[in-house]
Amino acid sequence: DAEITQSPRHKITETGRQVTLACHQTWNHNNMFWYRQDLGHGLRLIHYSYGVQDTNKGEVSDGYSVSRSNTEDLPLTLESAASSQTSVYFCASSRGQTNTGELFFGEGSRLTVL
Amino acid sequence: AQTVTQSQPEMSVQEAETVTLSCTYDTSESDYYLFWYKQPPSRQMILVIRQEAYKQQNATENRFSVNFQKAAKSFSLKISDSQLGDAAMYFCAYRSSFGNEKLTFGTGTRLTIIP
Repeated sequence: DAEITQSPRHKITETGRQVTLACHQTWNHNNMFWYRQDLGHGLRLIHYSYGVQDTNKGEVSDGYSVSRSNTEDLPLTLESAASSQTSVYFCASSRGQTNTGELFFGEGSRLTVL
Repeated sequence: AQTVTQSQPEMSVQEAETVTLSCTYDTSESDYYLFWYKQPPSRQMILVIRQEAYKQQNATENRFSVNFQKAAKSFSLKISDSQLGDAAMYFCAYRSSFGNEKLTFGTGTRLTIIP
């Protein structure tokens, strides 16, 4: 079955370190998204991509970057981790060019920055 | 920019009873999509129900139904015959009909089912 997987599921790092969260989907979806989930804020969009070589900033993009070199993967990089980036991160994908609009989510990656 | 508001951080309901979760949104667009997602303790986000704004008929999916009031910009979720497995965080989300499926989420409502 097609799916979307995130790794690692849990990570603890130190302030100032670079961290990369992986996201891999096997649906051949054009669109991929990264959200962070924090209590009281719901899910907020960090970055998104509509296809290979395309990336766009979301509402909370500062301190994060993404790259899209193929259809399947959209890794999220924290250039210099900060305690404010302690959160649960969700990757999602959608087919695009459709009116259904449904996003398919990974299981989330919990990141703790000490 | 669109905003989605869920004014009930927590709700509880007796098993087998009915509960309604509230959601309001703000937009200047006339065509859009609304969603309810469920997030159980496993953290997996699951689509519960979807409503297209151009449809006047309220969407239903088994025990889940919505009350979509376009003029009031309200989109509530009704869960009938509540079951223990319905315990979760529920998120309301908005998507413009323009652009490629970026969702704006509310802050969520935690639903507890009382046996």
